[in-house]
Amino acid sequence: ETGVTQSPTHLIKTRGQQVTLRCSSQSGHNTVSWYQQALGQGPQFIFQYYREEENGRGNFPPRFSGLQFPNYSSELNVNALELDDSALYLCASSLEGLETDTQYFGPGTRLTVL
Amino acid sequence: SQKIEQNSEALNIQEGKTATLTCNYTNYSPAYLQWYRQDPGRGPVFLLLIRENEKEKRKERLKVTFDTTLKQSLFHITASQPADSATYLCASRKGSARQLTFGSGTQLTVLP
Repeated sequence: ETGVTQSPTHLIKTRGQQVTLRCSSQSGHNTVSWYQQALGQGPQFIFQYYREEENGRGNFPPRFSGLQFPNYSSELNVNALELDDSALYLCASSLEGLETDTQYFGPGTRLTVL
Repeated sequence: SQKIEQNSEALNIQEGKTATLTCNYTNYSPAYLQWYRQDPGRGPVFLLLIRENEKEKRKERLKVTFDTTLKQSLFHITASQPADSATYLCASRKGSARQLTFGSGTQLTVLP
């Protein structure tokens, strides 16, 4: 069984730039969620994708967007980067239909915006 | 507003003692609570889930309780070891929302 993988591990961008983060789901999982985690805080839900469509969204502006591909891998895109976007971005996969939403997280991408 | 909260203060305990971490929720009734462990720079790892109709759940040295009267879940690690040092997060669904909402986590340090 292959776990959740994310790339890149670290990324440094400047304010105003755009970034794309990538995630491969755990095998057998059909749902992917993205979270932002600031230092000292819990993960904050950005959005979830199921069957290649957005299936729920947290309190994040439209410049945060995503995609899910037929193989259940996913991308998170952030446009017009702001300093406050500096955080650990976590991808988590799960299996839709289970009532308990247990999340299987990847190692995360550390984004620094200068 | 609906909240899920953990004691943000770090917890330091001596090796061999029992660590007890608290998760409180307000203004909603979760059907279940989940507990995760997170090591620095890594993603959270699922540990245990307890449903609202369960009083207690155990897994090896871990025990979770769920008190719907106090609106609280307690997470215990018995015979703690330095390797248990990490941040522990609780999470639940709020109402009909699809996503999990996480507490801010409690950092546990087990001293040798």
